[in-house]
Amino acid sequence: QSALTQPASVSGSPGQSITISCTGTSSDVHYYDSVSWYQHHPGKAPKLIIYEVSNRPSGVSNRFSGSKSGNAASLTISGLQAEDEADYYCRSYTTFTSHVFGGGTKVTVL
Amino acid sequence: EVQLVESGGGLVQPGRSVRLSCAASGFTFDGYAMHWVRQPPGKGLEWVSSISWNSYIMDYADSLKGRFTISRDNAKNSLYLQIDSLRPEDTALYYCAKDRRSYSTDMDVWGQGTTVTVSS
Repeated sequence: QSALTQPASVSGSPGQSITISCTGTSSDVHYYDSVSWYQHHPGKAPKLIIYEVSNRPSGVSNRFSGSKSGNAASLTISGLQAEDEADYYCRSYTTFTSHVFGGGTKVTVL
Repeated sequence: EVQLVESGGGLVQPGRSVRLSCAASGFTFDGYAMHWVRQPPGKGLEWVSSISWNSYIMDYADSLKGRFTISRDNAKNSLYLQIDSLRPEDTALYYCAKDRRSYSTDMDVWGQGTTVTVSS
């Protein structure tokens, strides 16, 4: 099972919106509505920010939103803030091996 | 407050075994599935294994089957990961994570991780 495909890096200026893509296959992202996104500041525990494609856990800013179309899921961060600078990972349930993560995207706030 | 605290990592020689532990608190441990996820140095997250609330269902990443064993003790609010025949490529930060449900869905709370370094 190969990792889901994410861009290595995405950047934006404060206040802007950015979108991170997560491309899978018909055996994972396309087949299951079980896509989640995690924010990971190095040295800290990863944090769940989106689950089941587009749901936000309690306490997560509504600046984070998720969507899915076909084999690809997306995470959009609107009103980019300095604190959003982190690594972001998508994860999907998969037919073959239960769970698969994306390779991660480093978000830089310019 | 939900807390997960991993332990048991360290420097281990190739071919040896290690048992990682995760102490859970702040939630009803036996009501949730649990996971192990690892992150090799400089690389991304890799799912390792999951276990249902009652230990009936255990899943492993295909590439790791046979050397990794997940288990839990609900009476002790603890999760474990046994890794046998350690290889240098097993060097990673190992995270314990709680699921949102009693069966495997995704991971909503993570610990800080414990580092395993496999080297002679």
